[in-house]
Amino acid sequence: DQQVKQNSPSLSVQEGRISILNCDYTNSMFDYFLWYKKYPAEGPTFLISISSIKDKNEDGRFTVFLNKSAKHLSLHIVPSQPGDSAVYFCAACEGDQGAQKLVFGQGTRLTINP
Amino acid sequence: GAVVSQHPSRVICKSGTSVKIECRSLDFQATTMFWYRQFPKKSLMLMATSNEGSKATYEQGVEKDKFLINHASLTLSTLTVTSAHPEDSSFYICSAYRDPNEKLFFGSGTQLSVL
Repeated sequence: DQQVKQNSPSLSVQEGRISILNCDYTNSMFDYFLWYKKYPAEGPTFLISISSIKDKNEDGRFTVFLNKSAKHLSLHIVPSQPGDSAVYFCAACEGDQGAQKLVFGQGTRLTINP
Repeated sequence: GAVVSQHPSRVICKSGTSVKIECRSLDFQATTMFWYRQFPKKSLMLMATSNEGSKATYEQGVEKDKFLINHASLTLSTLTVTSAHPEDSSFYICSAYRDPNEKLFFGSGTQLSVL
């Protein structure tokens, strides 16, 4: 049972445009969500997170939106840059304190075309 | 879909003991597996890259004699925390590539608590 799903395995966006990566979850107990970015041959690096008490969190070109009723979150990157080409993982957990287990989606490969 | 199984999901041990964590790819062969340690605020630290049939590649600052990695087959990698201490308490997560499309699948993690 996949509790965190990224239904698009890949996404191609033109440089300068907006990239939107989507993630759905099924466990209503999840209340903290994260996005990680991964380049080939490297481990994932933390990008941005959001708590369920918010519906939006912004950090520079990256914005994460959370729709709790739909159990859906999205990552917006604007404007997209070639260096954003990577695999993006969303993850979820119960609570943002301590060592709660992260549950990952399967990732979406984003390609930014010049 | 592809599944990566990690076992055990939780282990509590006394200081000074060794703990082995297994990571298995259940329906695909994984030539490369990764081991991560999860820190507070959910940052993931890549500890090492495990390649089947060869020595693991450790990231800077990770003690290879303390965190022993063995990737003896295309479906199994193990991480052994030797002489565990309370500061080793953490979540340890493995992931595996399914070639050739380089999709990365994560294990369910192991919560290690060292008393």
